[in-house]
Amino acid sequence: DIQMTQSPSTLSASVGDRVTITCRASQNINIWLAWYQQKPGKAPNLLIYKASTLESGVPSRFSGSGSGAEFTLTISSLQPDDFATYYCQQYNTYSRTFGQGTKVEIK
Amino acid sequence: QVQLQESGPGLVKPSETLSLTCRVSGASVSRGNYYWSWIRQPPGKRPEWIGYVFYTGSTNYNPSLESRVSISADKSKNQFSLRLSSVTAADTAVYYCARDALDGIDFWGQGTLVTVSS
Repeated sequence: DIQMTQSPSTLSASVGDRVTITCRASQNINIWLAWYQQKPGKAPNLLIYKASTLESGVPSRFSGSGSGAEFTLTISSLQPDDFATYYCQQYNTYSRTFGQGTKVEIK
Repeated sequence: QVQLQESGPGLVKPSETLSLTCRVSGASVSRGNYYWSWIRQPPGKRPEWIGYVFYTGSTNYNPSLESRVSISADKSKNQFSLRLSSVTAADTAVYYCARDALDGIDFWGQGTLVTVSS
């Protein structure tokens, strides 16, 4: 099983801040990584796939980078709608696993 | 627009079988390169992939659940189903059906809370 570890678990930031979340895989997953945003009581929403490809309709302030086993999600200028929990997810093999999540809170 | 809707009991007794159905609209479970998936999320925890069925009928399951889980598709009704046997309190979670586009899970149902309790 491929394990996914995110850091930090919680992040306090202000509107306008640049925010970076890291995701590490327990083995090489090439670029087969997706990022999701989840708000309370809602299903996760796909933001990025193939590590750096922005899903249609997602604001350009979101970006992803990385390959192999280390990845980052960056929000260039945090907006009020961005306070949520973010998950990474690998799909290198037939199975899928998620990171433990990073909660972005208002500072 | 693709839409998915879960249905099934919200309360299941320990040792019984959890059964959920996902009705799909705006897409076909019998065509295309998609994995029709079930994912669950215990309260306050990360999502956990349960498994999926491909349009060919082939399936793949989370190894930790494989002995208890079955996913199947009904092409005539354009829906797919989950069965999880011998449930315990650890199976209490919000259960989501979703479309896995092989490059991310792009459409999700709203989720349904299933509680395992006597």
